[in-house]
Amino acid sequence: EPEVTQTPSHQVTQMGQEVILRCVPISNHLYFYWYRQILGQKVEFLVSFYNNEISEKSEIFDDQFSVERPDGSNFTLKIRSTKLEDSAMYFCASKGGRGNNEQFFGPGTRLTVL
Amino acid sequence: GNSVTQMEGPVTLSEEAFLTINCTYTATGYPSLFWYVQYPGEGLQLLLKATKADDKGSNKGFEATYRKETTSFHLEKGSVQVSDSAVYFCALSDGFGNEKLTFGTGTRLTIIP
Repeated sequence: EPEVTQTPSHQVTQMGQEVILRCVPISNHLYFYWYRQILGQKVEFLVSFYNNEISEKSEIFDDQFSVERPDGSNFTLKIRSTKLEDSAMYFCASKGGRGNNEQFFGPGTRLTVL
Repeated sequence: GNSVTQMEGPVTLSEEAFLTINCTYTATGYPSLFWYVQYPGEGLQLLLKATKADDKGSNKGFEATYRKETTSFHLEKGSVQVSDSAVYFCALSDGFGNEKLTFGTGTRLTIIP
């Protein structure tokens, strides 16, 4: 069964460093998402991506964040200068098409900023 | 904006007990409703969904009915098992455009033998 994969599973970084979180969505999907979950809190929407551009972003997704689909298979989230409060689990999700509303989630990347 | 209010946890039940986790929502239009489950150390998995009023989603013995009149989507299971121990998230998508998910706070369920 096709699945969304994410790498790395755990990333530790120093405050102020750049990190790139990687995701491989399901191959024929068209919509891509990043969510995050701070420990013990709810899952929050960060950004959605369709047709090679951002379709919506939340207030959390400020200028320090960017997304890219560089090669037609990977979908990356970059945090330019990490802050302590960026420590969270980051989930990638993908969805097949507009009429199919089921999002498939990856296992997540745990980001720890020291 | 859209919001989901979910029953506070944690919830601890004995095996074979009846489970209800309450979920209510606020949304414009006609959202789709979901329950996701997160097992320890894993990502989110779709448990069940309903896309219109009075639809009942069901999977693995869990059920939830889309009640537009009470804006609710309560999760139920008649007889829980130890393997059901997980965190359960109620969520909605508004059906417009990119259809992002709005999640509730999650309810941690622990089943004791």
